[in-house]
Amino acid sequence: EADIYQTPRYLVIGTGKKITLECSQTMGHDKMYWYQQDPGMELHLIHYSYGVNSTEKGDLSSESTVSRIRTEHFPLTLESARPSHTSQYLCACRADRGPETQYFGPGTRLLVL
Amino acid sequence: AQSVTQLGSHVSVSEGALVLLRCNYSSSVPPYLFWYVQYPNQGLQLLLKYTSAATLVKGINGFEAEFKKSETSFHLTKPSAHMSDAAEYFCAVRALNTPLVFGKGTRLSVIA
Repeated sequence: EADIYQTPRYLVIGTGKKITLECSQTMGHDKMYWYQQDPGMELHLIHYSYGVNSTEKGDLSSESTVSRIRTEHFPLTLESARPSHTSQYLCACRADRGPETQYFGPGTRLLVL
Repeated sequence: AQSVTQLGSHVSVSEGALVLLRCNYSSSVPPYLFWYVQYPNQGLQLLLKYTSAATLVKGINGFEAEFKKSETSFHLTKPSAHMSDAAEYFCAVRALNTPLVFGKGTRLSVIA
């Protein structure tokens, strides 16, 4: 059982609001990732981090930002939510060694009205 | 750079029949290969992974996959489908020190 958590699980919010999606892991993994996934569709990497104070943009351009102040915490922020941000956001982590398994959180399903 | 192609966005099988989900990869270096399963409204769960040891990899829930370098394939199989296998399945590839690259996924339906 992977110890990676995401809150909230579901969020309905109005356009223009600032939101932060939380992701925490208790495994001490250095590498963490954020993916965006529309229902029944592929996963798109939007951000990743290889350790504290390290963040990189992924393959899919995103208006969101991330921070990595602590190893166990990798929050994603949208300064001004729009309907186009409606999606599922999945957080993941893995250890920094070879073919280590990447573990996923349960996801946050975001609906922007 | 790595890439993954999953053949068939939707596969439907009868309960008790063979499950075969196809995955072909492209990688300029020896890859690590993974199969994940996603149930509705959940995150992804690892089924199995190939890490350059045995080419036939056994995973959870009776699934297995065979790495075939000559065919650049890593197809997922299960001898007998169960209703609980209905889900979305993702193949993924990664080289050392790079993020996972996922295929577009295959939805498996199991018919009673």
